[in-house]
Amino acid sequence: ETGVTQSPTHLIKTRGQQVTLRCSSQSGHNTVSWYQQALGQGPQFIFQYYREEENGRGNFPPRFSGLQFPNYSSELNVNALELDDSALYLCASSGTSQETQYFGPGTRLLVL
Amino acid sequence: DAKTTQPPSMDCAEGRAANLPCNHSTISGNEYVYWYRQIHSQGPQYIIHGLKNNETNEMASLIITEDRKSSTLILPHATLRDTAVYYCIVRANDYKLSFGAGTTVTVRA
Repeated sequence: ETGVTQSPTHLIKTRGQQVTLRCSSQSGHNTVSWYQQALGQGPQFIFQYYREEENGRGNFPPRFSGLQFPNYSSELNVNALELDDSALYLCASSGTSQETQYFGPGTRLLVL
Repeated sequence: DAKTTQPPSMDCAEGRAANLPCNHSTISGNEYVYWYRQIHSQGPQYIIHGLKNNETNEMASLIITEDRKSSTLILPHATLRDTAVYYCIVRANDYKLSFGAGTTVTVRA
């Protein structure tokens, strides 16, 4: 069974730029959730995709957007990057939106 | 989601059982208790979850009090590799996990 994978592992961007982060779900899972974890804090829920539709969203501005593809992989896009967007971005997959979520290793984003 | 309260940190000795407490006094009847851990700079790792009954798997045991207002995660024989931040999360049958600050557990040789 293949686990959740994310790419890239690390990324450096400058303020105002745009970034795309990628996530491949665990085999058999059709739901992907994205979280942001600032240094020293717990992960915060950004949004979830279920069968290619957004299924729920946390308190993040519209410049955070996502996509889910027919193979259930997913992208997180962040526009107009701000310094505070520097964080570890985690994706988690689950069999359905209500089942246990399994996390990938994360992408560490640094905005300068 | 109901909130949880965990001690900010605890130490335990290698080879001994580690008992991690969590209070969730406002938990609702349909809310599960989930435990995850996060080893430095890695993604959170699922440990165990339960609704009312005690649960055990290859990693840990989860003991939930009869009134469901608190629970204890037990790592039966802690090793140095169990050093991590442990998160207790109460989750309704919905889509998101709400993480708090967790408990930083340090296992000492």
